Amino acid sequence: QKEVEQNSGPLSVPEGAIASLNCTYSDRGSQSFFWYRQYSGKSPELIMFIYSNGDKEDGRFTAQLNKASQYVSLLIRDSQPSDSATYLCAVNRSNDYKLSFGAGTTVTVRA
Amino acid sequence: EAEVAQSPRYKITEKSQAVAFWCDPISGHATLYWYRQILGQGPELLVQFQDESVVDDSQLPKDRFSAERLKGVDSTLKIQPAELGDSAMYLCASSWGRRTDTQYFGPGTRLTVL
Repeated sequence: QKEVEQNSGPLSVPEGAIASLNCTYSDRGSQSFFWYRQYSGKSPELIMFIYSNGDKEDGRFTAQLNKASQYVSLLIRDSQPSDSATYLCAVNRSNDYKLSFGAGTTVTVRA
Repeated sequence: EAEVAQSPRYKITEKSQAVAFWCDPISGHATLYWYRQILGQGPELLVQFQDESVVDDSQLPKDRFSAERLKGVDSTLKIQPAELGDSAMYLCASSWGRRTDTQYFGPGTRLTVL
């Protein structure tokens, strides 16, 4: 079982719609969760982090965490063509605090 | 806004040659990470420094890779000799501390080995 799993996509959404990205993780003791955005050929850029169960909103982005289900998601509201990128989910491992990354979900926003 | 600096941005080399990458973390960040990212995959940790000390290099291919952070600030990752399979993006990241602090990535070095 992979430590962090994401649907690879591509996830295609029309401009203005909500994009919903999912991530599951295997380490029940993980406490910190991160979403990074990565444009093609570029490095990962931090979008959000979340530590507590529930929702955390930042502009058009909302991260949702459910530790009981070992599930973290990212919602992108009012999707724009500039949101077209690969989104990486990262989870701190509880035994050594290293970041485990998923393979990423590629999002394409259609104008 | 403070950023992680890396150079070069792109490197093309022939197999069996030596290559070196440089990273300057965000000022004040004690922890520095080197990752390798293969196309279509997430970054994988190669080595982690806390100040000038190696905290973890368990995934570093030590027969050909080396990393140092002599003064606890900037760092160099070296590959000698390069192999075709080393073609990837090499990412440097830094954070304030060692545990759950957010990691910030530099622009990366795209290595192509011919």
